[in-house]
Amino acid sequence: AQSVAQPEDQVNVAEGNPLTVKCTYSVSGNPYLFWYVQYPNRGLQFLLKYITGDNLVKGSYGFEAEFNKSQTSFHLKKPSALVSDSALYFCAVRDSIKAAGNKLTFGGGTRVLVKP
Amino acid sequence: GAVVSQHPSRVICKSGTSVKIECRSLDFQATTMFWYRQFPKQSLMLMATSNEGSKATYEQGVEKDKFLINHASLTLSTLTVTSAHPEDSSFYICSARASPEKSPYEQYFGPGTRLTVT
Repeated sequence: AQSVAQPEDQVNVAEGNPLTVKCTYSVSGNPYLFWYVQYPNRGLQFLLKYITGDNLVKGSYGFEAEFNKSQTSFHLKKPSALVSDSALYFCAVRDSIKAAGNKLTFGGGTRVLVKP
Repeated sequence: GAVVSQHPSRVICKSGTSVKIECRSLDFQATTMFWYRQFPKQSLMLMATSNEGSKATYEQGVEKDKFLINHASLTLSTLTVTSAHPEDSSFYICSARASPEKSPYEQYFGPGTRLTVT
């Protein structure tokens, strides 16, 4: 079975400082990894994905994430956080093995609060 | 990018009544649609997966007779909450994916529907 863990319920950071949101995963085969952001009472917006290739993935709004196979991690990062980055962030994984199904499994979410 | 819409965005209904939520893919054909439920400050819980023209596959613990899902066309899926009760109050989010040949990885999410059962 596939699973995703986001160990921090909330991350607080001052505006202009680096932001990191942690994510670890477990799958049977190779992982397809995703980050989404959710603003209050809204659906999920896609930020970035890792399928294959370079371990460092660049996405929307200045976010990037690094795939680390040995640590089974896919942490989301932004060099300089903005107040507008305050939102709920979800990490998600799909297993590349078709027999495992085609479902996305989400982590519990991490609330990011960027203070001016 | 691909757009998925949901209607209504908010709905309030009385206990015992049924409510239908629509999910549409506006600029692509969605061979697969997913319905999620999200409780306050919690993650998304997959309720069911539907492929166009076939019966939905429900996740364990989700009552298929209570949450009726219809995926009658490649651009429309509906979720009907039958005989709603206050505990069904939640944020319901749909998601759509194009055919694997066209988009093997991308899954696009609707803006969600807030259901309140009084």
